[in-house]
Amino acid sequence: GAVVSQHPSWVICKSGTSVKIECRSLDFQATTMFWYRQFPKQSLMLMATSNEGSKATYEQGVEKDKFLINHASLTLSTLTVTSAHPEDSSFYICSAPTGNIQYFGAGTRLSVL
Amino acid sequence: AQSVTQLDSQVPVFEEAPVELRCNYSSSVSVYLFWYVQYPNQGLQLLLKYLSGSTLVKGINGFEAEFNKSQTSFHLRKPSVHISDTAEYFCAVSVFSGGYNKLIFGAGTRLAVHP
Repeated sequence: GAVVSQHPSWVICKSGTSVKIECRSLDFQATTMFWYRQFPKQSLMLMATSNEGSKATYEQGVEKDKFLINHASLTLSTLTVTSAHPEDSSFYICSAPTGNIQYFGAGTRLSVL
Repeated sequence: AQSVTQLDSQVPVFEEAPVELRCNYSSSVSVYLFWYVQYPNQGLQLLLKYLSGSTLVKGINGFEAEFNKSQTSFHLRKPSVHISDTAEYFCAVSVFSGGYNKLIFGAGTRLAVHP
């Protein structure tokens, strides 16, 4: 199957700082990528749809200014958690579709102290 | 609105026993259905998919699922589980929304295989 790489896998930051998470499609091009958030022992919640060369589409209730998404190329999307606070601590996962199938990154565990 | 219901939040089972993880979906249109597996602190790995054709779908690691349109179900089965199958399993349906094919996930089923 297709490979999606996500980096970093784990990040710890101080409250008030910003953190950038990268999502790359390694062996295919993705004009669209998806960003999810997962709380412990819960399912995945779609946060936003990242579009190459245009603005991201955010799901209802997701703060656009808090979670900045950039999709600058056909293989890279980034999620920046701005001015992070402890309540932003979570597991963030990206995915990229090819055909009718979404392939997922390994996820990023964000801990905000 | 489309939704996915995974009927069991946890399924304990002994090694080498058969297992079935249940999934029901609601949709008035044709759907694509998926099962993903998630190991601790990892992303999701595709187990199998139903896009069209045969209703019995075989996936990786010996898993299979059957698409039942009349019962709107897509239950996952394995005839003999291993300790290494212990993980979280998510059923998902693909929906076209806002110009994109998005995945709607069930709440997940924790499969715990005991020796």
